Amino acid sequence: TQLLEQSPQFLSIQEGENLTVYCNSSSVFSSLQWYRQEPGEGPVLLVTVVTGGEVKKLKRLTFQFGDARKDSSLHITAAQTGDTGLYLCAEPTGNQFYFGTGTSLTVIP
Amino acid sequence: EAGVAQSPRYKIIEKRQSVAFWCNPISGHATLYWYQQILGQGPKLLIQFQNNGVVDDSQLPKDRFSAERLKGVDSTLKIQPAKLEDSAVYLCASSPLGGGPEAFFGQGTRLTVV
Repeated sequence: TQLLEQSPQFLSIQEGENLTVYCNSSSVFSSLQWYRQEPGEGPVLLVTVVTGGEVKKLKRLTFQFGDARKDSSLHITAAQTGDTGLYLCAEPTGNQFYFGTGTSLTVIP
Repeated sequence: EAGVAQSPRYKIIEKRQSVAFWCNPISGHATLYWYQQILGQGPKLLIQFQNNGVVDDSQLPKDRFSAERLKGVDSTLKIQPAKLEDSAVYLCASSPLGGGPEAFFGQGTRLTVV
Protein backbone atom coordinates (compact mmCIF):
# COMPACT_ATOMS: atom_id res chain seq x y z
CA THR A 1 0.00 0.00 0.00
CA GLN A 2 1.50 3.31 -1.00
CA LEU A 3 0.78 6.70 0.49
CA LEU A 4 -1.04 9.08 -1.83
CA GLU A 5 -0.30 12.67 -0.88
CA GLN A 6 -2.59 15.39 -2.18
CA SER A 7 -1.95 19.10 -2.26
CA PRO A 8 -3.08 21.57 -1.31
CA GLN A 9 -5.08 20.22 1.60
CA PHE A 10 -7.49 23.17 1.50
CA LEU A 11 -8.29 25.61 -1.29
CA SER A 12 -10.71 28.53 -1.31
CA ILE A 13 -11.18 30.49 -4.52
CA GLN A 14 -13.59 32.90 -6.16
CA GLU A 15 -16.04 31.73 -8.79
CA GLY A 16 -14.51 31.99 -12.25
CA GLU A 17 -10.93 31.36 -11.16
CA ASN A 18 -8.81 28.44 -12.32
CA LEU A 19 -7.15 25.94 -10.02
CA THR A 20 -4.98 22.83 -10.01
CA VAL A 21 -4.75 20.11 -7.38
CA TYR A 22 -2.14 17.40 -7.22
CA CYS A 23 -1.74 13.77 -6.24
CA ASN A 24 1.71 12.33 -5.67
CA SER A 25 3.25 9.04 -4.71
CA SER A 26 6.75 7.71 -4.18
CA SER A 27 5.81 4.59 -6.15
CA VAL A 28 4.45 3.98 -9.61
CA PHE A 29 0.68 3.85 -9.99
CA SER A 30 -0.83 0.98 -11.93
CA SER A 31 -3.72 3.32 -12.66
CA LEU A 32 -5.27 6.28 -10.90
CA GLN A 33 -8.78 7.48 -10.25
CA TRP A 34 -10.17 10.87 -9.26
CA TYR A 35 -13.35 11.09 -7.17
CA ARG A 36 -15.37 14.10 -6.03
CA GLN A 37 -17.24 14.04 -2.74
CA GLU A 38 -19.90 16.67 -2.22
CA PRO A 39 -20.85 17.63 1.34
CA GLY A 40 -23.02 14.96 2.92
CA GLU A 41 -22.51 12.48 0.09
CA GLY A 42 -20.20 9.61 -0.76
CA PRO A 43 -17.36 9.95 -3.29
CA VAL A 44 -18.29 9.67 -6.97
CA LEU A 45 -15.86 8.61 -9.67
CA LEU A 46 -14.86 11.33 -12.14
CA VAL A 47 -12.19 9.62 -14.23
CA THR A 48 -9.67 6.79 -14.46
CA VAL A 49 -6.25 7.32 -16.05
CA VAL A 50 -4.07 4.41 -17.01
CA THR A 51 -1.31 5.43 -19.43
CA GLY A 52 1.65 7.65 -18.52
CA GLY A 53 1.19 11.13 -20.03
CA GLU A 54 -2.53 10.56 -20.54
CA VAL A 55 -4.80 13.61 -20.53
CA LYS A 56 -8.55 13.35 -20.11
CA LYS A 57 -11.12 16.11 -20.17
CA LEU A 58 -14.52 16.21 -18.54
CA LYS A 59 -16.19 19.53 -19.40
CA ARG A 60 -14.18 22.12 -17.42
CA LEU A 61 -12.04 19.49 -15.67
CA THR A 62 -8.71 18.34 -17.13
CA PHE A 63 -6.94 15.32 -15.68
CA GLN A 64 -3.31 14.52 -16.38
CA PHE A 65 -1.32 11.44 -15.51
CA GLY A 66 2.43 11.99 -15.13
CA ASP A 67 4.77 10.43 -17.67
CA ALA A 68 6.33 8.27 -14.96
CA ARG A 69 2.90 7.39 -13.52
CA LYS A 70 3.90 8.65 -10.06
CA ASP A 71 1.78 11.79 -10.04
CA SER A 72 -1.43 13.24 -11.38
CA SER A 73 -3.12 16.60 -11.54
CA LEU A 74 -6.66 17.90 -11.82
CA HIS A 75 -7.18 21.32 -13.35
CA ILE A 76 -10.51 23.12 -13.14
CA THR A 77 -11.18 26.03 -15.48
CA ALA A 78 -13.57 28.81 -14.47
CA ALA A 79 -14.61 27.22 -11.19
CA GLN A 80 -18.29 27.25 -10.23
CA THR A 81 -19.93 26.95 -6.82
CA GLY A 82 -21.06 23.48 -7.81
CA ASP A 83 -17.42 22.40 -7.91
CA THR A 84 -17.22 22.74 -4.12
CA GLY A 85 -16.29 19.46 -2.49
CA LEU A 86 -13.52 17.10 -1.49
CA TYR A 87 -11.39 15.86 -4.37
CA LEU A 88 -9.81 12.48 -3.82
CA CYS A 89 -7.32 10.54 -5.85
CA ALA A 90 -7.36 6.78 -5.47
CA GLU A 91 -5.37 3.85 -6.68
CA PRO A 92 -7.38 0.78 -7.60
CA THR A 93 -5.13 -2.15 -6.68
CA GLY A 94 -6.40 -5.63 -7.20
CA ASN A 95 -9.81 -5.60 -5.62
CA GLN A 96 -9.20 -2.59 -3.35
CA PHE A 97 -9.24 1.19 -3.61
CA TYR A 98 -6.67 3.22 -1.66
CA PHE A 99 -7.53 6.87 -1.27
CA GLY A 100 -5.36 9.94 -0.99
CA THR A 101 -5.44 12.55 1.75
CA GLY A 102 -7.88 14.76 -0.19
CA THR A 103 -8.14 18.39 -1.28
CA SER A 104 -11.07 20.33 0.14
CA LEU A 105 -12.21 22.94 -2.41
CA THR A 106 -14.54 25.82 -1.63
CA VAL A 107 -15.71 28.03 -4.48
CA ILE A 108 -17.04 31.34 -3.24
CA PRO A 109 -19.77 33.07 -5.29
CA GLU B 1 -30.37 0.92 -10.68
CA ALA B 2 -30.60 1.58 -6.95
CA GLY B 3 -27.41 2.78 -5.29
CA VAL B 4 -25.75 1.74 -2.06
CA ALA B 5 -28.11 2.29 0.85
CA GLN B 6 -26.89 3.13 4.34
CA SER B 7 -28.65 3.84 7.61
CA PRO B 8 -28.87 5.73 9.80
CA ARG B 9 -27.59 8.98 8.23
CA TYR B 10 -26.64 10.46 11.58
CA LYS B 11 -25.98 9.08 15.04
CA ILE B 12 -24.93 10.73 18.27
CA ILE B 13 -23.89 8.53 21.18
CA GLU B 14 -21.99 8.85 24.40
CA LYS B 15 -18.56 7.32 24.78
CA ARG B 16 -18.59 3.70 25.91
CA GLN B 17 -21.98 3.13 24.29
CA SER B 18 -22.43 0.80 21.34
CA VAL B 19 -23.67 1.60 17.84
CA ALA B 20 -24.43 -0.30 14.64
CA PHE B 21 -24.54 0.79 11.02
CA TRP B 22 -26.29 -0.97 8.17
CA CYS B 23 -25.42 -1.17 4.48
CA ASN B 24 -27.22 -2.65 1.48
CA PRO B 25 -24.93 -2.73 -1.58
CA ILE B 26 -25.87 -2.48 -5.23
CA SER B 27 -27.64 -5.65 -6.31
CA GLY B 28 -25.22 -8.22 -7.68
CA HIS B 29 -22.08 -6.59 -6.32
CA ALA B 30 -19.97 -9.27 -4.72
CA THR B 31 -17.50 -6.96 -2.98
CA LEU B 32 -18.45 -4.72 -0.06
CA TYR B 33 -16.21 -2.25 1.74
CA TRP B 34 -16.50 -0.28 4.96
CA TYR B 35 -14.44 2.91 5.13
CA GLN B 36 -13.87 5.37 7.97
CA GLN B 37 -13.51 9.01 6.95
CA ILE B 38 -12.32 11.62 9.42
CA LEU B 39 -13.60 15.10 8.53
CA GLY B 40 -11.70 16.56 5.57
CA GLN B 41 -9.55 13.45 5.01
CA GLY B 42 -9.60 10.58 2.58
CA PRO B 43 -11.50 7.39 3.39
CA LYS B 44 -9.56 4.66 5.20
CA LEU B 45 -10.48 1.05 4.53
CA LEU B 46 -11.69 -0.81 7.61
CA ILE B 47 -12.85 -4.10 6.14
CA GLN B 48 -13.51 -5.70 2.78
CA PHE B 49 -15.89 -8.58 2.09
CA GLN B 50 -16.18 -10.71 -0.99
CA ASN B 51 -19.60 -12.36 -0.87
CA ASN B 52 -19.87 -13.33 2.80
CA GLY B 53 -16.15 -13.84 3.41
CA VAL B 54 -13.65 -11.34 4.81
CA VAL B 55 -10.88 -10.45 2.35
CA ASP B 56 -9.06 -7.81 4.38
CA ASP B 57 -9.68 -6.59 7.92
CA SER B 58 -6.11 -5.56 8.71
CA GLN B 59 -7.11 -1.97 9.52
CA LEU B 60 -10.14 -2.87 11.65
CA PRO B 61 -9.66 -2.20 15.40
CA LYS B 62 -10.92 -5.61 16.36
CA ASP B 63 -11.02 -4.91 20.08
CA ARG B 64 -14.03 -2.65 19.52
CA PHE B 65 -15.14 -2.94 15.89
CA SER B 66 -16.87 -5.89 14.29
CA ALA B 67 -18.57 -6.42 10.95
CA GLU B 68 -20.54 -9.12 9.28
CA ARG B 69 -22.09 -9.77 5.91
CA LEU B 70 -24.52 -12.60 6.35
CA LYS B 71 -25.78 -14.24 3.14
CA GLY B 72 -23.37 -12.14 1.12
CA VAL B 73 -25.75 -9.22 0.66
CA ASP B 74 -26.24 -6.53 3.30
CA SER B 75 -23.76 -5.82 6.05
CA THR B 76 -23.57 -4.35 9.53
CA LEU B 77 -20.65 -2.60 11.22
CA LYS B 78 -20.68 -2.37 15.01
CA ILE B 79 -18.62 -0.38 17.47
CA GLN B 80 -18.62 -1.43 21.12
CA PRO B 81 -17.61 0.46 23.19
CA ALA B 82 -17.27 3.72 21.27
CA LYS B 83 -14.48 6.20 21.90
CA LEU B 84 -14.33 9.92 21.15
CA GLU B 85 -11.86 9.29 18.33
CA ASP B 86 -14.42 7.11 16.54
CA SER B 87 -16.29 10.26 15.52
CA ALA B 88 -16.23 10.11 11.73
CA VAL B 89 -18.29 9.31 8.66
CA TYR B 90 -18.62 5.60 8.00
CA LEU B 91 -18.93 4.91 4.30
CA CYS B 92 -20.06 1.69 2.71
CA ALA B 93 -19.09 0.95 -0.88
CA SER B 94 -19.58 -1.93 -3.28
CA SER B 95 -18.08 -3.10 -6.53
CA PRO B 96 -18.64 -6.02 -8.86
CA LEU B 97 -16.64 -9.21 -8.44
CA GLY B 98 -13.02 -8.59 -9.32
CA GLY B 99 -13.08 -4.99 -8.21
CA GLY B 100 -14.79 -3.60 -11.29
CA PRO B 101 -13.99 -0.18 -12.67
CA GLU B 102 -14.95 1.80 -9.58
CA ALA B 103 -16.19 1.78 -6.02
CA PHE B 104 -19.81 2.89 -5.63
CA PHE B 105 -20.44 4.64 -2.33
CA GLY B 106 -23.42 5.19 -0.11
CA GLN B 107 -24.12 8.55 1.53
CA GLY B 108 -22.46 7.46 4.75
CA THR B 109 -23.37 7.55 8.42
CA ARG B 110 -22.02 10.49 10.38
CA LEU B 111 -21.18 9.33 13.91
CA THR B 112 -20.56 11.77 16.73
CA VAL B 113 -19.28 10.38 20.02
CA VAL B 114 -19.65 12.78 22.95
